[in-house]
Amino acid sequence: DTGVSQDPRHKITKRGQNVTFRCDPISEHNRLYWYRQTLGQGPEFLTYFQNEAQLEKSRLLSDRFSAERPKGSFSTLEIQRTEQGDSAMYLCASTRGSEDTEAFFGQGTRLTVV
Amino acid sequence: GQQVMQIPQYQHVQEGEDFTTYCNSSTTLSNIQWYKQRPGGHPVFLIQLVKSGEVKKQKRLTFQFGEAKKNSSLHITATQTTDVGTYFCAGQGSGAGSYQLTFGKGTKLSVIP
Repeated sequence: DTGVSQDPRHKITKRGQNVTFRCDPISEHNRLYWYRQTLGQGPEFLTYFQNEAQLEKSRLLSDRFSAERPKGSFSTLEIQRTEQGDSAMYLCASTRGSEDTEAFFGQGTRLTVV
Repeated sequence: GQQVMQIPQYQHVQEGEDFTTYCNSSTTLSNIQWYKQRPGGHPVFLIQLVKSGEVKKQKRLTFQFGEAKKNSSLHITATQTTDVGTYFCAGQGSGAGSYQLTFGKGTKLSVIP
């Protein structure tokens, strides 16, 4: 148990629908990351928060993707008008911050767009 | 942007044989991390290397960070079936305020008993 929890674990949605995922990081961790992973690939960076501030966002990230971390604790990732290419495992990770960059990953949310 | 290349993509070894995976970054890194992902699981942190030329050992695992801080390797001595999984390196850029990790594609290790 890494302490990072993600919900839901699995999501099947029809193309064109909106989906929202939630991540609860380890409580004392102030940095939170979202990654996407497809089969046979490494995790691909999507976005990063330091407390409630979104400090980095991948240039590859479509404007259909939005993430929030309103109170600096849990975070949500929303995908609007889903496409089949959005099917992937969405991973959340948190780190303590400062020089300690060891990332603790959650179990992920597996999205299937049909 | 920063790119991290990892080879080989797959490695099949007989139990007891050694295994090495290599990682190369297109840019100088502030640090490099290694993760292991078991089938159906999520990446789990193994180690972080920060200093140029650093070598760290964890039991049968040896991690190295190159002098130029652009390449790294993971070596496993006498593999066991419990070593099965995909090993990823992940580099953190050296630019100010850059906290994202760029992952390689991973090396999938299979161990034949």
